Amino acid sequence: GAVVSQHPSRVICKSGTSVKIECRSLDFQATTMFWYRQFPKKSLMLMATSNEGSKATYEQGVEKDKFLINHASLTLSTLTVTSAHPEDSSFYICGGRGLYGYTFGSGTRLTVV
Amino acid sequence: AQKVTQAQTEISVVEKEDVTLDCVYETRDTTYYLFWYKQPPSGELVFLIRRNSFDEQNEISGRYSWNFQKSTSSFNFTITASQVVDSAVYFCALSFLTGNQFYFGTGTSLTVIP
Repeated sequence: GAVVSQHPSRVICKSGTSVKIECRSLDFQATTMFWYRQFPKKSLMLMATSNEGSKATYEQGVEKDKFLINHASLTLSTLTVTSAHPEDSSFYICGGRGLYGYTFGSGTRLTVV
Repeated sequence: AQKVTQAQTEISVVEKEDVTLDCVYETRDTTYYLFWYKQPPSGELVFLIRRNSFDEQNEISGRYSWNFQKSTSSFNFTITASQVVDSAVYFCALSFLTGNQFYFGTGTSLTVIP
């Protein structure tokens, strides 16, 4: 079946630095990729939707300069958290839409110290 | 507006009890897809089921069963003879034939007590 690989699974970074999270569709071409953020004991909040080769569409309230999304190929999307702060600490999950449905990565737990 | 409601925030059951997780959705589209995902403590989303809006047949897979009722816009999930390994957060979700929106419900945290 379709597999999405998300890397890293955990990352700790210092406040003020940037962190990149990768999301790869391993055996299908993801025409659309999604990025979600999940706070502890909360639901998955859609941050942005990206289509290959075009700019991401951000949900209301999500800072596009803070959360840079790149979807340069049909198999790779990246989320860069720029100038990270402790309040950016969260669980981030990506997902890809292929021909047959939606598949999600295993998530990245970001801790900003 | 598209919306998925999981009214039960947290449920605790004793092992071997049956438990039903409720999901109510809201959409004006006639073609849509409903999903259930399991999120164990490790965080990944485990796909459980997908149903399209034209297929109202109930489905059973081992101890899991799903009841889809368009008349009440519900897609409930029942775990029979629950086990400790069923402890997780369960999400109901909604998507459409066109467009790229994928809506998650707020999730239900299930704890199965041994």
